[in-house]
Amino acid sequence: KQEVTQIPAALSVPEGENLVLNCSFTDSAIYNLQWFRQDPGKGLTSLLLIQSSQREQTSGRLNASLDKSSGRSTLYIAASQPGDSATYLCAVRVGGSQGNLIFGKGTKLSVKP
Amino acid sequence: EAQVTQNPRYLITVTGKKLTVTCSQNMNHEYMSWYRQDPGLGLRQIYYSMNVEVTDKGDVPEGYKVSRKEKRNFPLILESPSPNQTSLYFCASSSEDRPSQSTQYFGPGTRLTVL
Repeated sequence: KQEVTQIPAALSVPEGENLVLNCSFTDSAIYNLQWFRQDPGKGLTSLLLIQSSQREQTSGRLNASLDKSSGRSTLYIAASQPGDSATYLCAVRVGGSQGNLIFGKGTKLSVKP
Repeated sequence: EAQVTQNPRYLITVTGKKLTVTCSQNMNHEYMSWYRQDPGLGLRQIYYSMNVEVTDKGDVPEGYKVSRKEKRNFPLILESPSPNQTSLYFCASSSEDRPSQSTQYFGPGTRLTVL
């Protein structure tokens, strides 16, 4: 059974720092991996989607990498800002092109001014 | 504006009183799903639907029903709610028949409390 783990569970950094969030999954047979952001009391916003054949995706200050064989993904945030404070969730799609999304429990990020 | 809407956003009810949480999307997406989010357990899929009149169980379907009579709507039904269904519920949709390549759009969430 696929399991997704995110480390650390919480992270606090000063504004301006570059940081890395980690995601690992137990079964490398995934179709894609997606990073989401969740603000308190709000829904999820998709940040980046990496297909299983891709190694990385970039959007603005965000860069996500995927190493499917080792079961790992990282989300790199450059020059962090207080507005980046949120919970970041990693999810993998399994079971085929119409399969389920399996989520990690998230990393709660706090960026201090 | 492309969006997924859910109603109600907050609901407090009592054990056994049937309730429905509505979900609607305006993006003509074929794939829709329901998740619940609980502290320490993360997001877990309840049910999903690939198309009108096609629904399937997710990881935690017990105690829930869904229907997909129209493409845009995917209501979640709790016939006899119990306190262990107290949770934060999210509806999501993604485009066409290629959910593996498309972004999932999430609704704002419904916070349900069952007393």
